[in-house]
Amino acid sequence: QSALTQPASVSGSPGQSITISCTGSSSDVGGYNYVSWYQQHPGKVPKLIIYDVTNRPSGVSNRFSGSKSGTTASLTISGLQAEDEADYYCSSYTTSNTVLFGGGTKLTVL
Amino acid sequence: QVQLVESGGGVVQPGGSLRLSCAASGFTFSSFDMHWVRQAPGKGLEWVAIILYDGYNKYYADSVKGRFTISRDNVKNTMYLQMNSLRVEDTAIYYCARKEGSWVQIDYWGQGTLVTVSS
Repeated sequence: QSALTQPASVSGSPGQSITISCTGSSSDVGGYNYVSWYQQHPGKVPKLIIYDVTNRPSGVSNRFSGSKSGTTASLTISGLQAEDEADYYCSSYTTSNTVLFGGGTKLTVL
Repeated sequence: QVQLVESGGGVVQPGGSLRLSCAASGFTFSSFDMHWVRQAPGKGLEWVAIILYDGYNKYYADSVKGRFTISRDNVKNTMYLQMNSLRVEDTAIYYCARKEGSWVQIDYWGQGTLVTVSS
C-alpha cells in the first residue's frame, strides 16, 4: 500500500490559481469516485475541503474545486489568499477496503 | 456540537502495548463508522483502521494488521485502538475521526493523542 503521489510543494501569488495533483492507480483513485482533499494548518487538525472528487462540504469556499482524470485527481485553488498557505493531503478509497493518503503538498503563498 | 476526545497516549518501549480511547459526543455515535488516522512528527497523514457502525466489520492498514485491534462500545460512545508489539515507527499523533458518507469523507477529527515508542 504505497501512498498516493503528490508534489512536495507548490507556490503561487495572491489572486492566482494553483493545482495540486494526486496520482494513484486503478486500484484506488482510478477505480472509484472516492477521493477527498484535506487542508492542514501547522499545529491544527486536518479539515475536509473536497470529498467524492468534486463535492465541497458546507462552509468551504467555492475557491476550492476538485476533479479527476483516470488515475490522477486534482485540487484547484483559485484566487489564492494568504490563509490558504497550509499542507494539503489527498485520500482515496481502495479495492482492499482501505484508505490511502497522499504524501502531502506544502502550499506557499508568495 | 460534535466532539471527539482521544486519550491513552504516552511513552512505551518497543514491543510494548498501549490502548487508546476516543470518547464521542454531540451525535448518535452508533450510527457512524469511525476511523483512526495517525501522523508521525513532521510527516504526512497515514490511515490506520476503520470500524463500521455496528462494530462487526473492521479493516486495517497493512502496516498495523495483526498488531492493532480497533473496537467500539456503542453504549459508552467510545472507540478504542489496542496497539500491541509497538515499533519505533508507530510513533505518531493518533487521531480518531468520524466518517460521514463515503470512506474518505472524514468530517470531524479529534485533537489527537501522542504515542511515542522509544527505548
